[in-house]
Amino acid sequence: QLQLQESGPGLVKPSETLSLSCTVSGGSINSRSYYWAWIRQPPGKGPEWIGSVFYSGTTYYSPSLRSRLTVSVDTSKNQFFLSLDSVTATDTAFYYCARHSSGDGGPAEEDYFDYWGQGILVTVSS
Amino acid sequence: DIVLTQSPATLSLSPGERATLSCRASRSVSNYLAWYQQKPGQAPRLLIYDSSNRATGVPPRFSGSGSGTDFTLTISSLEPEDFAVYYCQQRSDWPPLSFGGGTKVEIK
Repeated sequence: QLQLQESGPGLVKPSETLSLSCTVSGGSINSRSYYWAWIRQPPGKGPEWIGSVFYSGTTYYSPSLRSRLTVSVDTSKNQFFLSLDSVTATDTAFYYCARHSSGDGGPAEEDYFDYWGQGILVTVSS
Repeated sequence: DIVLTQSPATLSLSPGERATLSCRASRSVSNYLAWYQQKPGQAPRLLIYDSSNRATGVPPRFSGSGSGTDFTLTISSLEPEDFAVYYCQQRSDWPPLSFGGGTKVEIK
């Protein structure tokens, strides 16, 4: 069974960099079939897609966050990462990692976010 | 970017009643729309994909319909565990992938 687990600091100061890791177990991140995504959700609001990374390092970013965002992958550790610069209070949210398909003709169900981590609350505050 | 608008924001119903939730896209997403269920303290769970297909393990009381810009999630007879928040999400035109703002189904 595939499992994803977020890790990182729960408190970040304004203007600093938010850095999170997602560890994938029960399957390989080194697959042509999937993207690995970051999604955030401010308390009481809907989810917001942040960005996705392919095993090769190819990335797709939310236009609204692109200028501050880096998503990367380390296939040797079966991990991928989120770095968000110059954070403010509006970046306070639950941050989730998740999987979705690359659309290579596999099951259509996998084209959506079919596996999620449990989420981590990151608060931006001094 | 495609904006998804969900209505109503809150639906107050009793167990056994039928729930009808709406998701409207700012432009056509064909049938590339999913529905998720989220309970407090949990990540969203995929319920419906490609507008009308139930995800693995989802009970048949959940059904989805629609194409283009207007979509509906129907819960035929609410069970106690169905009271939660529901989100739609499109994958038609990305980046960006986008979610709706959610509908909370609460106990009346």
